[in-house]
Amino acid sequence: QSVLTQPPSASATPGQRVSISCSGSSSNIGSNTVNWYQQLPGTAPKLLIFGSNQRPSGVPDRFSGSKSGTSASLAISGLQSEDEADYYCAAWDDSLDGRHVFGTGTKVTVL
Amino acid sequence: EVQLLESGGNLVQPGGSLRLSCAASGFTFSTYGVNWVRQAPGKGLEWVSGLGETTSRPYYADSVKGRFSISRDNSKNTLYLQMNSLRVEDTAIYYCAKGRNYVWSAFDIWGRGTMVTVSS
Repeated sequence: QSVLTQPPSASATPGQRVSISCSGSSSNIGSNTVNWYQQLPGTAPKLLIFGSNQRPSGVPDRFSGSKSGTSASLAISGLQSEDEADYYCAAWDDSLDGRHVFGTGTKVTVL
Repeated sequence: EVQLLESGGNLVQPGGSLRLSCAASGFTFSTYGVNWVRQAPGKGLEWVSGLGETTSRPYYADSVKGRFSISRDNSKNTLYLQMNSLRVEDTAIYYCAKGRNYVWSAFDIWGRGTMVTVSS
């Protein structure tokens, strides 16, 4: 069962901005950084954002992340058709001897 | 090229066992934390287990604790997941994922996954 809560879906037209929220608790987002993964249909997940707001090499600057308290968000500006995918937030959780926790996932649709 | 390649997935009966392998290449395997993440058909991602760069203490999700065992052989650049007492709900694609640094770091490299089906 997922510990981090995300909206099940989000959508926008090409060129617009879409934002995805991720809600956690003091033991995960509240005390550790947040990571975001993009999963295109039929493929393995790909790291999109690490350290709450850092982009790995090769990830377009259209993708940005932020964190405040026990919540985080991912924003995609200038939405493109190839951005249609599932997006997951994740964080290390200090409870229960330590574990990674994922969000419930958000399906982004480009209208 | 940095790469992870999983193998060992198969169809197994409930209560059975299976060992997954993840072969790493293109980076110094021994200096990074590594993890297993699974995804049941049509469902989201679930972290399963993680291990630090040395054969230090392992970490497990509650759902697999006592049934699964993670290990690594740095001389063979390979990560393993021994799965015992398998249940129908363990059916999933199992991904191997490399941490950016430590076992608690973001997963910057993922394998393609290997399918495990638990069914009678």
